Amino acid sequence: EAGVTQFPSHSVIEKGQTVTLRCDPISGHDNLYWYRRVMGKEIKFLLHFVKESKQDESGMPNNRFLAERTGGTYSTLKVQPAELEDSGVYFCASSQEWGFTYGYTFGSGTRLTVV
Amino acid sequence: EDKVVQSPLSLVVHEGDTVTLNCSYEVTNFRSLLWYKQEKKAPTFLFMLTSSGIEKKSGRLSSILDKKELFSILNITATQTGDSAVYLCAVEAISGGSNYKLTFGKGTLLTVNP
Repeated sequence: EAGVTQFPSHSVIEKGQTVTLRCDPISGHDNLYWYRRVMGKEIKFLLHFVKESKQDESGMPNNRFLAERTGGTYSTLKVQPAELEDSGVYFCASSQEWGFTYGYTFGSGTRLTVV
Repeated sequence: EDKVVQSPLSLVVHEGDTVTLNCSYEVTNFRSLLWYKQEKKAPTFLFMLTSSGIEKKSGRLSSILDKKELFSILNITATQTGDSAVYLCAVEAISGGSNYKLTFGKGTLLTVNP
């Protein structure tokens, strides 16, 4: 089974520009999550999709971040306009049901650097 | 706010040593505790613990949860250089309604020298 795929693996952009991160979950996984690790800090929750619906977006830092999951398959996370403090590693994870039995499968992350 | 604390933050050992990694937590509506190993890329799943006192084991790795004292340990025996990684502890808890999310600790960086 293919794992969770994230693209790109690394992105360097200037402050004020727009970046879109993509996540392809494991096929059949209804639950899709976005997490972020800022340097020196813990990995923190951003939001949770069940199929195409946002179930919980309490971790989104501000309205410069927009996540979508059209059709309940892949998801995108857009940052517009990017700020320096948005730099970090953005992880996507997916799970079946509520992740209870199988745990959460993480992608390799997208390292975002805003200069 | 939910909180997960791992210790130590960093550990250097020699091959063959046994190590114990610690994870304590304060969360509301606990559901499970998970351990992940992160080398260069994606965190890879090690264990999910839901019940106190039941040891989970996989080869040289084992883990146990204490829900009364709110902590878990991850043991690695006869360490090998391939065990070098960041070990992440995460607690799964209810986040409003029937949603769940993970709260992570900062991780323990384990370095195993030959």
